[in-house]
Amino acid sequence: NAGVTQTPKFQVLKTGQSMTLQCAQDMNHNSMYWYRQDPGMGLRLIYYSASEGTTDKGEVPNGYNVSRLNKREFSLRLESAAPSQTSVYFCASNTDRAPYEQYFGPGTRLTVT
Amino acid sequence: KNEVEQSPQNLTAQEGEFITINCSYSVGISALHWLQQHPGGGIVSLFMLSSGKKKHGRLIATINIQEKHSSLHITASHPRDSAVYICAVGLYYGGSQGNLIFGKGTKLSVKP
Repeated sequence: NAGVTQTPKFQVLKTGQSMTLQCAQDMNHNSMYWYRQDPGMGLRLIYYSASEGTTDKGEVPNGYNVSRLNKREFSLRLESAAPSQTSVYFCASNTDRAPYEQYFGPGTRLTVT
Repeated sequence: KNEVEQSPQNLTAQEGEFITINCSYSVGISALHWLQQHPGGGIVSLFMLSSGKKKHGRLIATINIQEKHSSLHITASHPRDSAVYICAVGLYYGGSQGNLIFGKGTKLSVKP
């Protein structure tokens, strides 16, 4: 089992460029999440998907879109990157039964100049 | 006001010391999670608990539901325990049982 994988690990974008962060899990989990982590702040939820075909906004969704392509894959797209989106992005999934243990990907460090 | 508060924010200890990290929360929860973030950035789940106490090796986690408080203890601390420890509370909404609200983390440094 690879667990949760994310690509790329690092990315530098110029303001206005677009990109997609890829995430996949091989644990057959229904729920998947995208978080961002900024210095001095806790992880914040961008979007989540409770099951294949459904997505919902989290705490900080502005400037992002997501696609739950199938049960395994959940991608995060930045249509027009802004310096405020410089952050470390984590994808996660959780087990379908209590206590809903979360598994995290290795993270993507994104810098927007 | 943050819904999940951790203390202290930073902690430096000598190898062998007993360490306590505290977490208080203000919302109703389905479970409380303790996570560890290594210096390289990876995040792993240490404990999930909704009552009582759990132990794994030198790590002990407790929760008091009435007081909305949890503690993470590390006995006989070691430099390899140096990491950021994150408290998170699990909520249920939107059809997903796993939505978490995170504390800001406690950065622990254990000196040899």
